[in-house]
Amino acid sequence: DIQMTQSPSFVSASVGDRVTVTCRASQGISNWLAWYQQKPGKAPKLLIYAASTLQSGVPSRFSGSGFGTDFTLTISNLQPEDFATYYCQQADSFPPAFGQGTRLEIK
Amino acid sequence: EVQLSESGGGLVQPGGSLRLSCAASGFTFSYYTMSWVRQGPGRGLEWVSAINRGGSPTYYADSVKGRFTVSRDTSKNILYLQMNSLRAEDTAVYYCAKDREPDSKWDFDSWGQGTLVTVSS
Repeated sequence: DIQMTQSPSFVSASVGDRVTVTCRASQGISNWLAWYQQKPGKAPKLLIYAASTLQSGVPSRFSGSGFGTDFTLTISNLQPEDFATYYCQQADSFPPAFGQGTRLEIK
Repeated sequence: EVQLSESGGGLVQPGGSLRLSCAASGFTFSYYTMSWVRQGPGRGLEWVSAINRGGSPTYYADSVKGRFTVSRDTSKNILYLQMNSLRAEDTAVYYCAKDREPDSKWDFDSWGQGTLVTVSS
């Protein structure tokens, strides 16, 4: 099974900052990587699929990149509503697997 | 608008059973593979099970294989998860999730609000 490792586990930032979250797959997954945002008590929300394609309705300050085993999620010009937990997920092969999450908090 | 609504969660004793349901609307249910994903208290997301749009094949995480059974009723647009031999570690919020596209890879563009399953004596 493919394992997903995110870093950092926790990040503190201010409104207007730029933040980068990294996700590494234990083996190559081409570009089959998704990013989700989850707020407390809510379901996850798909932000990005195929490593870099923005889901409809997601603000352009979110971007993703990477291929193979190393991927990044970048949030530019952080807004108050962006403070949440972010998960990567490999979508390439069974079983689908999530990273452990990165909690983004307001500094 | 896609809507997914889970029900059936609750408190159950270890070794007990529970059946979760997920009512789907706003899309052609029969076209999409559907999954269950859970989240233990204070923990991350764990994919649990999936069912192909035609009802087979079905897929399970090792942690639930042999204990959980996923099924679907396309006439009613409902996804089910029958959970038997429940353990404390199955305590979680259970979400149903829809594949992003028919025959797409394993990513999920719509999620229900979740239903809480608590396994405790």
